[in-house]
Amino acid sequence: DTAVSQTPKYLVTQMGNDKSIKCEQNLGHDTMYWYKQDSKKFLKIMFSYNNKELIINETVPNRFSPKSPDKAHLNLHINSLELGDSAVYFCASSQEGGRGYGYTFGSGTRLTVV
Amino acid sequence: AQSVTQLGSHVSVSEGALVLLRCNYSSSVPPYLFWYVQYPNQGLQLLLKYTTGATLVKGINGFEAEFKKSETSFHLTKPSAHMSDAAEYFCAVSEGGGAQKLVFGQGTRLTINP
Repeated sequence: DTAVSQTPKYLVTQMGNDKSIKCEQNLGHDTMYWYKQDSKKFLKIMFSYNNKELIINETVPNRFSPKSPDKAHLNLHINSLELGDSAVYFCASSQEGGRGYGYTFGSGTRLTVV
Repeated sequence: AQSVTQLGSHVSVSEGALVLLRCNYSSSVPPYLFWYVQYPNQGLQLLLKYTTGATLVKGINGFEAEFKKSETSFHLTKPSAHMSDAAEYFCAVSEGGGAQKLVFGQGTRLTINP
């Protein structure tokens, strides 16, 4: 039973489209995250939610909007997709903010904008 | 703000040789440090972590790391490389406080030569 699951695994779309990526965790964790991994493998945090409350919002374009309907789910909606949005997006979860526990990551969603 | 520097974007060793992946960090608070491994087209898996206590920590797959405060380092080692160790390795530091996040290094690609 997958701990952190993301859908879809691959997403190819045209510029200007709107798309969503879904994430669910069954670990009972209270904090969830979205990270972006660029073509050089660099990982950067985008958002963090703790018990459905946004606690981290890095300098991400407002075309990106996270939504957390409950503490087990964190979805990412992207409007007006641009070529530069092409990347792998990882969802992760942790308990108690993750400081001493680390994160559990999903397997990623590879987004390609053409 | 904390940061992580991984020395060497690519390390190549022979099967059976010592693996040494270098990580230096910068943190204004006592750091919590992590090593993650990413196999091709997969998510990140926690190898090991340092929070408090013993400075030599052992992880999965025979890896270990030593926290050296005086050198601000957390290098990852494995006595004898195996072909299955070929992957991307990420060092990360966790910031304290309420809005906790993992800050990653740029990654080191480990190649194992037969």
